[in-house]
Amino acid sequence: AQSVTQPDIHITVSEGASLELRCNYSYGATPYLFWYVQSPGQGLQLLLKYFSGDTLVQGIKGFEAEFKRSQSSFNLRKPSVHWSDAAEYFCAVGNDYKLSFGAGTTVTVRA
Amino acid sequence: GAVVSQHPSWVICKSGTSVKIECRSLDFQATTMFWYRQFPKQSLMLMATSNEGSKATYEQGVEKDKFLINHASLTLSTLTVTSAHPEDSSFYICSARGLEFLEQYFGPGTRLTVT
Repeated sequence: AQSVTQPDIHITVSEGASLELRCNYSYGATPYLFWYVQSPGQGLQLLLKYFSGDTLVQGIKGFEAEFKRSQSSFNLRKPSVHWSDAAEYFCAVGNDYKLSFGAGTTVTVRA
Repeated sequence: GAVVSQHPSWVICKSGTSVKIECRSLDFQATTMFWYRQFPKQSLMLMATSNEGSKATYEQGVEKDKFLINHASLTLSTLTVTSAHPEDSSFYICSARGLEFLEQYFGPGTRLTVT
């Protein structure tokens, strides 16, 4: 069975500091990997995706993520956080038919 | 990215009534649409997957007679919550995927409150 773990429930980071959100997964093969962001009361916006190829993927809003097969991880990073990055972040893994989501990480940005 | 809309964005209904939520793909043909439910401060739970012109596939534990899903066209799917009860109150989010891409694009969600 597939599963997604986001170990950090809540992260607080200062504006301008770097951010890393962790995601580990369990899957039978190499899955499709995604990071989504959700603002309060809103739907999910796709930040980036990995299907195959280069294991370092660039996304929108200055985010990037690295797929590490040996660690079954797909961690999200941003070098310098802006106050508007405060939101809920979800890692998702799956295939053509179904996605499984992690529990989410809430990011708070302090001035 | 592709755009998905949902209507209404929020709805309040009385216990025992039915409510319909629409999900539309605005700039692409959605061969597959997904319906999720999200409880406060929790992740998304997949309820069902629907392909255009086919019956929806429901996840284990989801009552298909209570949550009716129709995907009659390549741009529209509807979720009808029948005989709603207060425990059906939740945030319902749809997503859609087209033939040209593998990722899902999400609608803005619908907040349902059953009184």
